[in-house]
Amino acid sequence: GAVVSQHPSRVICKSGTSVKIECRSLDFQATTMFWYRQFPKKSLMLMATSNEGSKATYEQGVEKDKFLINHASLTLSTLTVTSAHPEDSSFYICSVGQGDQPQHFGDGTRLSIL
Amino acid sequence: GENVEQHPSTLSVQEGDSAVIKCTYSDSASNYFPWYKQELGKRPQLIIDIRSNVGEKKDQRIAVTLNKTAKHFSLHITETQPEDSAVYFCAASPTGGGNKLTFGTGTQLKVEL
Repeated sequence: GAVVSQHPSRVICKSGTSVKIECRSLDFQATTMFWYRQFPKKSLMLMATSNEGSKATYEQGVEKDKFLINHASLTLSTLTVTSAHPEDSSFYICSVGQGDQPQHFGDGTRLSIL
Repeated sequence: GENVEQHPSTLSVQEGDSAVIKCTYSDSASNYFPWYKQELGKRPQLIIDIRSNVGEKKDQRIAVTLNKTAKHFSLHITETQPEDSAVYFCAASPTGGGNKLTFGTGTQLKVEL
């Protein structure tokens, strides 16, 4: 069964709207979750590492004020795309991994900004 | 940081043939190498992984080989079937899934009847 639950699966909204995406770890308590972005026919690019109870670690070039990450519990991390614009349209995927265990992905969220 | 290169970007094979996808990595500290299969619009799914203390791992029609000295690893799919058609990504990490993964650029595999 699914290890990671991600919602919503699809969002279409107007420019300037803020969008929140949830990622839940179903099988275990996750101190660390990861957020990726994927453009059409491209690879997965790590945006940030979400750390439970502390600030997220952002990859170089990712605007932390644009992509707000909150990891308030051991099973939930959220990504908020603030004041979204058409260039933010993409496929956002979260993942969960622990120690030397494999990393498992959510179903992804397709974000379309009009 | 780590850099993972993947080849080829597209691969077409006839059903029943074998398919091989190759990746190289740059960071000698990487010790965990998973492979993911992603169908259009869906999440990446882990199909096999290998650690640096092992040179080869096999799971039915899928196998992965690792040459740590040369810093390259390969995915081998035998007896390919149409349902194997998808995008395959290799990745590298220092430890395991609890650490961030650096992905290759992906290989679009098409298995033709």
